[in-house]
Amino acid sequence: GAVVSQHPSWVICKSGTSVKIECRSLDFQATTMFWYRQFPKQSLMLMATSNEGSKATYEQGVEKDKFLINHASLTLSTLTVTSAHPEDSSFYICSARKGASYNEQFFGPGTRLTVL
Amino acid sequence: RKEVEQDPGPFNVPEGATVAFNCTYSNSASQSFFWYRQDCRKEPKLLMSVYSSGNEDGRFTAQLNRASQYISLLIRDSKLSDSATYLCVVLYGGATNKLIFGTGTLLAVQP
Repeated sequence: GAVVSQHPSWVICKSGTSVKIECRSLDFQATTMFWYRQFPKQSLMLMATSNEGSKATYEQGVEKDKFLINHASLTLSTLTVTSAHPEDSSFYICSARKGASYNEQFFGPGTRLTVL
Repeated sequence: RKEVEQDPGPFNVPEGATVAFNCTYSNSASQSFFWYRQDCRKEPKLLMSVYSSGNEDGRFTAQLNRASQYISLLIRDSKLSDSATYLCVVLYGGATNKLIFGTGTLLAVQP
């Protein structure tokens, strides 16, 4: 199978602090990883597409300076929420694509962020 | 109008029932279609792809009508373990090349 891990699984922080979330593909190399955000009772929204060794592509309305993405290796992408505020509280999910097909996109277990 | 629309439910059905979910999408250039399952506070997991000719996987049958931009999922002989949120997902191809998720339909199978 294909396993994607995320760390931490949940985090509570004070407003103004920065939070880093890691996404790892454990048993395959992923040239492309995706970051999503899901608010309660809403659909997953793509935030950005991350390609190894290059800058991430952000979706419209997502601030690249606030949500820093680094994809330094074929098995690791990180999302840093800088100066987090309560409205950033959400469920952040990454996914990694194993091959060229979207059928081979595997999701991490998600990180629940609560900003006080 | 949402890009992918689903009835949020909940659908409360008894074990053994047959239940159908519908989904419509707005972008006629959408290339691929999927049903995902998401359990509470967990990540979505691919249930099945949806092909133009319709496809079946055990108790699950998916249908696609490109002309009407409509996708369906039929679950037969519902099990308690089928209780989850079912997400209709559409792939926008071309320059966009991204998955668009519906808000999901909640299914609760009752004993």
